[in-house]
Amino acid sequence: DTGVSQNPRHKITKRGQNVTFRCDPISEHNRLYWYRQTLGQGPEFLTYFQNEAQLEKSRLLSDRFSAERPKGSFSTLEIQRTEQGDSAMYLCASSSTRGEGQPQHFGDGTRLSIL
Amino acid sequence: AQSVTQPDIHITVSEGASLELRCNYSYGATPYLFWYVQSPGQGLQLLLKYFSGDTLVQGIKGFEAEFKRSQSSFNLRKPSVHWSDAAEYFCAVGAFGNEKLTFGTGTRLTIIP
Repeated sequence: DTGVSQNPRHKITKRGQNVTFRCDPISEHNRLYWYRQTLGQGPEFLTYFQNEAQLEKSRLLSDRFSAERPKGSFSTLEIQRTEQGDSAMYLCASSSTRGEGQPQHFGDGTRLSIL
Repeated sequence: AQSVTQPDIHITVSEGASLELRCNYSYGATPYLFWYVQSPGQGLQLLLKYFSGDTLVQGIKGFEAEFKRSQSSFNLRKPSVHWSDAAEYFCAVGAFGNEKLTFGTGTRLTIIP
């Protein structure tokens, strides 16, 4: 169990640029989640996948955001035409569906700063 | 819709003293409840979880929490805090199937010598 891995850890970009983050879940976990956390707040759910299928998207996920999990393993989250309000920590988590009440395990996040 | 309230934004405790962090949830059925801890610039680490059975659950680092359905609460406790416990603590509720978690706004814990 090597844990959930997120890259990059930090991303600084200019407003209007596109950015992409990557998440590698714990290998045997079939569910993968994306959350956004702004300063002083708890994480907010964005979307989740079961294997390669994206099963739910939050209203927070505007059409500038897109997430993929092409082979049911790693996932990418892309933000197009970034805005100041996109500055946040983007957290990825994964979980197993074997057994009841399996918790989500989080990575260390990608901190996005928009100049 | 599910929701979580953590009434205390910031708590200061002396090292060695006991600790209780409050969490109230709103959910129509039996919830899945979690406590996570976050150090600055880091992700969230799971402390403990409840989804059924014994209402007093034990977690890592000497933490425990008690589920009280009548009060819609899931308070976190520790009998004696250590300086290394200083961090942000988040309570979260999940629905059956645990597709997504709803977090509270967190409680920042400061430990003084």
